[in-house]
Amino acid sequence: EVQLVESGGGLVQPGRSLRLSCAASGFTFDNYAMHWVRRAPGKGLEWVSGISWNSGGIGYADSVKGRFTISRDNAKNSLYLQMDSLRAEDTALYYCAKADCSGASCYSVYWGQGTLVTVSS
Amino acid sequence: DIQMTQSPSSLSASVGDRVTITCRASQGISNYLAWFQQKPGKAPKSLIYAASSLQSGVPSKFSGSGSGTDFTLTISSLQPEDFATYYCQQYNSYPHTFGQGTKLEIK
Repeated sequence: EVQLVESGGGLVQPGRSLRLSCAASGFTFDNYAMHWVRRAPGKGLEWVSGISWNSGGIGYADSVKGRFTISRDNAKNSLYLQMDSLRAEDTALYYCAKADCSGASCYSVYWGQGTLVTVSS
Repeated sequence: DIQMTQSPSSLSASVGDRVTITCRASQGISNYLAWFQQKPGKAPKSLIYAASSLQSGVPSKFSGSGSGTDFTLTISSLQPEDFATYYCQQYNSYPHTFGQGTKLEIK
């Protein structure tokens, strides 16, 4: 059974950093691309970032480009999102998602339950 | 970036009804279009991929169609558990943009 467990969320002040992690199990992690998606309070889903199976293909939403960095450690079956220069508008529930294939043009099949990030002074 | 315009933003319907949600891409995306369902307090659930392929385990009352820039999600014979928010998403190229969502409510 595919399991994705996010961690690392919390309350952080504007301008500070936070690192999210996603522990994956139940599938061959290094065969699949992975994504981060968020949902801000009262808003819809927003795709944040994606990474191919070997980290060779990476993409970001314009709203986070230059501030967030996605990475993965295939040896540890883990996905990460380093979030720097956080803003109030980054407040959201952040989901980790497993793609259906290994590259960029892959959709999210399975989702974790999310980790909450609150950016406030 | 590719913009996804979803309509309507909200929809009221009755149990047993058939409803259609549309999604338009700002440029051609072939069939790289997925549909998701999200209920309050739950993670999104994949329904349709490649515009018209049904995700394993999803009932056949859900169907998708379209190619290029115009897509639809149809839900037949609505049941109480189908009332939720639905999103389209293009995954043709980064960034993988979502539509703004359609909240399906009971009339």
